[in-house]
Amino acid sequence: SQTIHQWPATLVQPVGSPLSLECTVEGTSNPNLYWYRQAAGRGLQLLFYSVGIGQISSEVPQNLSASRPQDRQFILSSKKLLLSDSGFYLCAWSIQGRGNQPQHFGDGTRLSIL
Amino acid sequence: SQQGEEDPQALSIQEGENATMNCSYKTSINNLQWYRQNSGRGLVHLILIRSNEREKHSGRLRVTLDTSKKSSSLLITASRAADTASYFCATGTASKLTFGTGTRLQVTL
Repeated sequence: SQTIHQWPATLVQPVGSPLSLECTVEGTSNPNLYWYRQAAGRGLQLLFYSVGIGQISSEVPQNLSASRPQDRQFILSSKKLLLSDSGFYLCAWSIQGRGNQPQHFGDGTRLSIL
Repeated sequence: SQQGEEDPQALSIQEGENATMNCSYKTSINNLQWYRQNSGRGLVHLILIRSNEREKHSGRLRVTLDTSKKSSSLLITASRAADTASYFCATGTASKLTFGTGTRLQVTL
């Protein structure tokens, strides 16, 4: 069966520090991969998605970046965090196919910027 | 702007009652999906209804879709305390989904 791992679960970082959040998927090949951010009590904002190794689409201009160094690994990074980067970050995967496929989510990373 | 918008924003019911949540969207879809999110956790996919379907069931869940009104509803029958969560509808194109802001459901004993 397929599983998705996302870590760390919580993270407290000072303003201006770098960030690296990692997400890995097991049990499937060539998945679509996604990074979302969720503000408290709000819906999900799509940040990045990837349909293959090295292929990254950015949805929102910001100081975050994403990389996909391996087929089932998706990394969210920042060189210098801002206060506004606080939030709940979720990684998800879906199979590639026609139309919209169900997405499967990790348990998220709660990021607090001080 | 959000493609899907849920209504109501919050709903409080007693255990055993039915809960109905609505979702409206703006553009043509090939399917609509419903997700559940427990507090502090990731989303879990509940059900997908295709644009050529009008109703779909899964256990205690019943989803309807009215493409002429661009709306969908999620009915949870005989609710339980464990159904307490936020529920989101999602639509999209190709590889991407757009999620609504969700309905927070509270089921009390």
